[in-house]
Amino acid sequence: EPEVTQTPSHQVTQMGQEVILRCVPISNHLYFYWYRQILGQKVEFLVSFYNNEISEKSEIFDDQFSVERPDGSNFTLKIRSTKLEDSAMYFCASTQIRGAGETQYFGPGTRLLVL
Amino acid sequence: AQTVTQSQPEMSVQEAETVTLSCTYDTSESNYYLFWYKQPPSRQMILVIRQEAYKQQNATENRFSVNFQKAAKSFSLKISDSQLGDTAMYFCAFMFQEGGSEKLVFGKGTKLTVNP
Repeated sequence: EPEVTQTPSHQVTQMGQEVILRCVPISNHLYFYWYRQILGQKVEFLVSFYNNEISEKSEIFDDQFSVERPDGSNFTLKIRSTKLEDSAMYFCASTQIRGAGETQYFGPGTRLLVL
Repeated sequence: AQTVTQSQPEMSVQEAETVTLSCTYDTSESNYYLFWYKQPPSRQMILVIRQEAYKQQNATENRFSVNFQKAAKSFSLKISDSQLGDTAMYFCAFMFQEGGSEKLVFGKGTKLTVNP
């Protein structure tokens, strides 16, 4: 069964450094999402992406964050200058079609630790 | 604002027994969807079961069923005949449409351990 994959599984970085988290959505999916989960807290929506542009973003998704689909298969989340509070698990998700109630398929997550 | 509350941070159950995980939510939306996702240790979140708010009938998927009480805004998950492979983090989630996009709002999760 097709799965969403994410790399790396773990990343440790120094505060102020840039990180890029990578996701490969399911191949025929068109809608992509990033979520994050700070340890012990809820999974939170960051951004949705369709047709090479952001559809919706949360207030967490500030100017330090950006997303792109550089090559038609990868979907990346870039954090330009990491802060300690960016330490979290980051999940990518994808869906085939848009419609309220459409199941989002999640990747295994990237655990980011900012020191 | 939409919120999802899972009041049980951890639960345990004996193999073959039944367990119920609770979830409540708050919303002013009239059209929404509810989900239970399962996240086994070190693996991705997978969909367990899905419920449309406009359907009165409770969703069932093999050993998993929900008790959806719309007026009470409650959406509990019942796992029958628990198996060791059911050990996982379980997230309740609420989906609504906003700004042309579908958003999932999650609860904090319930860590379920199935004991042999």
